[in-house]
Amino acid sequence: AQSVAQPEDQVKVAEGNPLTVKCTYSVSGNPYLFWYVQYPNRGLQFLLKYITGDNLVKGSYGFEAEFNKSQTSFHLKKPSALVSDSALYFCAVRDIGFGGGYNKLIFGAGTRLAVHP
Amino acid sequence: GAGVSQSPSNKVTEKGKDVELRCDPISGHTALYWYRQSLGQGLEFLIYFQGNSAPDKSGLPSDRFSAERTGGSVSTLTIQRTQQEDSAVYLCASSRVLTSSYEQYFGPGTRLTVT
Repeated sequence: AQSVAQPEDQVKVAEGNPLTVKCTYSVSGNPYLFWYVQYPNRGLQFLLKYITGDNLVKGSYGFEAEFNKSQTSFHLKKPSALVSDSALYFCAVRDIGFGGGYNKLIFGAGTRLAVHP
Repeated sequence: GAGVSQSPSNKVTEKGKDVELRCDPISGHTALYWYRQSLGQGLEFLIYFQGNSAPDKSGLPSDRFSAERTGGSVSTLTIQRTQQEDSAVYLCASSRVLTSSYEQYFGPGTRLTVT
C-alpha cells in the first residue's frame, strides 16, 4: 500500500536560516509526490510536485524539494526561512488505485513549521 | 479564476441531527474529493468522484456518511445522525484528470462542530 511518513511533528527554525521538512514514502512503482501548505483557518495550497525528471523540484514561495529514490525521500527545503512560512506542511503521494485517471492523494500527518524572528 | 468554494464555512449542530456540506469545484475539473481533517490529525480521505464513473467510497467511516455529485459539478456530503466524533474540518478538492498535472485544488473547508 502507498504511504508517506513525516517523522517530525514540529520543526523550529530561526528566520533567515535554512529549513528542511522531512518526508519519506513507500510506493509500488514510480511515485508521484506533492507538498501542500496549510495556513491557519485556510484550505491547503499546492506548493510543488515531483512526477518525473529533475530530482530537484522548485515550487511556490521559494520552496524546493529533492526527490531521492535510493532513500525514498522527498524533503521540502528553503534556503532562508521567513516568519510568514510558519504553517502546517503536508507531504502526499498519489495513490495508484484503479485506472490511469485515479488521483486520490495519501497524506502524511503533517509537520508544523515555526519560524521565529 | 474562481477556486473551489465550500459552504457553510462553519456549522454547529446538535448530536443526532443531519447536516449537509456543499462543494463547488473549479469549472472544468472532472475529479472531486472529500477529505476530513480532525483536530491535530492529518487528512483522511472520504470519497472520490471522477466523471460518470462509480465513486470511490472506500474512505467513508460509516453508513451515516454519504455524498453525491449532481451534473458532474456540485457535490454534497451528508452526515446523518451526527456524533461528536464527526467534529472536524471537511475539505473538498478538485482536479483535472486527463493531464499530467495531478495536483488537487482545495477549498477553504467547512468546520463542523457537533455539540
